[in-house]
Amino acid sequence: ELKVEQNPLFLSMQEGKNYTIYCNYSTTSDRLYWYRQDPGKSLESLFVLLSNGAVKQEGRLMASLDTKARLSTLHITAAVHDLSATYFCAVEGKRNYQLIWGAGTKLIIKP
Amino acid sequence: GAGVSQTPSNKVTEKGKYVELRCDPISGHTALYWYRQSLGQGPEFLIYFQGTGAADDSGLPNDRFFAVRPEGSVSTLKIQRTERGDSAVYLCASSLFLDTEAFFGQGTRLTVV
Repeated sequence: ELKVEQNPLFLSMQEGKNYTIYCNYSTTSDRLYWYRQDPGKSLESLFVLLSNGAVKQEGRLMASLDTKARLSTLHITAAVHDLSATYFCAVEGKRNYQLIWGAGTKLIIKP
Repeated sequence: GAGVSQTPSNKVTEKGKYVELRCDPISGHTALYWYRQSLGQGPEFLIYFQGTGAADDSGLPNDRFFAVRPEGSVSTLKIQRTERGDSAVYLCASSLFLDTEAFFGQGTRLTVV
């Protein structure tokens, strides 16, 4: 059974600092997603990672995938308050429409 | 509309009652998904529709849960004899086709008292 673990589950940091969120998954998968969720809002797709070594960047966020280690990272560079949100990783299960989700990382960035 | 719309945004119901949750997907999207998100957890898959048919309902927790999409657009998730453990945010998502990006609605927060 595919399991997805994120850590940390909660992160409070100062503006301007760098940090990394980790996403481990237990069995082989073809696709990994990162989503952002603000309180009371929709899940917003950030990145889709399709292959080993894939790296994608958008602004201060960069996601990477190591399929051999079954590990994805979401790196935040020089954090700003607007990035405060909960970040989820999700991995395609046996059926590619079934996403298996991590528990989420609640990120609070203090001005 | 521009995005996936879910109604109501909040629903409080008494234990044992019947509820319906509605999802309006993005126009033209053939695939529709329901997820359930409990507090402090990631979403859990419930059911997937391709067109009008439920292609996979293996995530529905028991036979109190049922979903329909009669015309291949709007979907309704129906919960009979609600229990306190059903309290969660129910999320709907749609995508143009199966393997394309899914867009999520804001969810319906269901509270069973």
